[in-house]
Amino acid sequence: NFMLTQPHSVSESPGKTVTISCTRSSGSIASNYVQWYQQRPGSSPTTVIYENNQRPSGVPDRFSGSIDSSSNSASLTISGLKTEDESDYYCQSYDSNNWVFGGGTKLTVL
Amino acid sequence: EVQLVESGGGVVRPGGSLRLSCAASGFTFDDYAMSWVRQAPGKGLEWVSGINWNGGNIGYVDSVKGRFTISRDNAKNSLYLQMNSLRAEDTALYYCARETRGRSWYADYWGQGTLVTVSS
Repeated sequence: NFMLTQPHSVSESPGKTVTISCTRSSGSIASNYVQWYQQRPGSSPTTVIYENNQRPSGVPDRFSGSIDSSSNSASLTISGLKTEDESDYYCQSYDSNNWVFGGGTKLTVL
Repeated sequence: EVQLVESGGGVVRPGGSLRLSCAASGFTFDDYAMSWVRQAPGKGLEWVSGINWNGGNIGYVDSVKGRFTISRDNAKNSLYLQMNSLRAEDTALYYCARETRGRSWYADYWGQGTLVTVSS
């Protein structure tokens, strides 16, 4: 099994852009799609990115996803930050048998 | 509207048992695989177990193998998790999640969770 490593926390000001990374420990990041979930305080997770860079309907285009094979990592970028974006964000991928989640990143918008 | 409503959580002593349920509505239940994902207090998400549409393909995280059993009743649109030999480290909010398997494999809908506390 592989692991996904995220920074514990990031912070940025409203209106700015922030990027959260998710690094795969072994095997290629490109071998399985990566998803990103947003979890607001006291709420269940919701999907903001699936299949590396696809947005579900209703997710604003301020949210984007990508992968970088050179660093074996995925990234979630949020532009035009709003206070409502303040949440925990989790990356997720999978192998043949189970889902693998990153440890989560707390985004503070201050 | 897709709805997943978990129930069955509570406080149980180490070594005890609980059965979690998840009532699904708003979609054709037997078209989808389902999973349980847990979140310990103040911690991240951990996949616990998954089951395909007819129960023929089941998986567990290593830490619960031999203790937890996932099942489903498509006639009742319900998912279950039987948890035996519970340990303090099983304390968590347990979410029911609908799986999507296409090009990727992930959760597209989540319930609100049911809290399991294992404590003496």
